Amino acid sequence: QVQLQQSGPGLVKPSQTLSLTCAISGDIVSSDSAAWNWIRQSPSRGLEWLGRTYYRSKWFTDYAQPVKSRITISSDISKNQFALQLNSVTPEDTAVYYCARDFATVTSGIYYYYFYMDVWGQGTTVTVSS
Amino acid sequence: QSALTQPRSVSGSPGQSVTISCTGTSSDVGGYNIVSWYQQHPGKAPKLMIFDVTKRPSGVPDRFSGSKSGNTASLTISGLQAADEADYYCCSYAGNYKYVAFGGGTKLTVL
Repeated sequence: QVQLQQSGPGLVKPSQTLSLTCAISGDIVSSDSAAWNWIRQSPSRGLEWLGRTYYRSKWFTDYAQPVKSRITISSDISKNQFALQLNSVTPEDTAVYYCARDFATVTSGIYYYYFYMDVWGQGTTVTVSS
Repeated sequence: QSALTQPRSVSGSPGQSVTISCTGTSSDVGGYNIVSWYQQHPGKAPKLMIFDVTKRPSGVPDRFSGSKSGNTASLTISGLQAADEADYYCCSYAGNYKYVAFGGGTKLTVL
């Protein structure tokens, strides 16, 4: 059974960096049948996809346009985890942050990742406030 | 404002059926057969209920079904049960620039 365990601070000061980690059990971060996502949820913005990383002979990352200049998603094979860094945060970044696995669908031997997120972390409430 | 439009709320009595709509554009829902639906109970993470418009992950009851016509996708829940009371979100692939769009969510109340 695949599980994702999130860790990281729940309070971040404005202009600082939000950092969260998602530890994977039951799967491996370098699996070619999964992509690893960060999503956040707030009452004002609803569910918002932030970005993902996946491994297909090398590492790839995709980021949502609204946060592209501030976000980094990285992976650590030795620890079997992936991480989110969001720079220059403001109160608008206050939200519940989730990590999630997106399982690949295979067509003609090609893997596609269509944001079918079948395993989620427990969520981390992050408040941006001084 | 969410990219995909869902009704804020729907309701039904136990045993009845309800349908939740999700309207997008030709750039997302209408352009791809890549629609999913998530169920979220209060304080919990979303749970995948439907993918590829109509498919159910293992363990999801066949009371949950999905469909799509043009720019609108739909989730139908038949034989409503109290445990189905939750928020439901649609999600669509939106191309190589925007990647993904979510709906604003629909609160299902089982009367």
